[in-house]
Amino acid sequence: AQSVTQPDIHITVSEGASLELRCNYSYGATPYLFWYVQSPGQGLQLLLKYFSGDTLVQGIKGFEAEFKRSQSSFNLRKPSVHWSDAAEYFCAVGLYNNNDMRFGAGTRLTVKP
Amino acid sequence: SQTIHQWPATLVQPVGSPLSLECTVEGTSNPNLYWYRQAAGRGLQLLFYSVGIGQISSEVPQNLSASRPQDRQFILSSKKLLLSDSGFYLCAWSVLATGTGSYGYTFGSGTRLTVV
Repeated sequence: AQSVTQPDIHITVSEGASLELRCNYSYGATPYLFWYVQSPGQGLQLLLKYFSGDTLVQGIKGFEAEFKRSQSSFNLRKPSVHWSDAAEYFCAVGLYNNNDMRFGAGTRLTVKP
Repeated sequence: SQTIHQWPATLVQPVGSPLSLECTVEGTSNPNLYWYRQAAGRGLQLLFYSVGIGQISSEVPQNLSASRPQDRQFILSSKKLLLSDSGFYLCAWSVLATGTGSYGYTFGSGTRLTVV
């Protein structure tokens, strides 16, 4: 069965600094990969997703993620973090034509002024 | 456009009382529906999912149950709440796109349940 690991439980960065959140997946086939963001007390919002094609995916709010098959990774990046980016971030993995997704445990992002 | 409604937003219930959380989806047909729970500071735990009316799969044994009486309605229930049922409950839906096999989950805004 597919699984996804987010190694970092909590990350703190300064406002304006770059950000990279790690995500590793485990599955034999090419998975579908997603990043979601959750603000406190809110539901999850889709940031971006990868199904096929260009391995560098652009999302909303200035985020991007790169699919690296050789490393089984789908890390989320942002060149300059804003205070409003403080939230919980979830990576998720699914299968082609099977919308049964599995979520990582999440990474909580704190942004220092 | 598709929308998902989840209510109530917050709920405080005494131990031993019943529970009913409702989730409805608009603008789509035959979606997969999901109930997740987040305990404080923890990730998402899939509780139930449904691929059709009356079809419920349970991921973990617990004090909760789910029902899908209509195509776009998903209900989470309990006969007697426990303190450990406190958490943030999220409903979600997904539909496979014809041809591409692509999809994504759309989440409701959640219900904060506190059992006292």
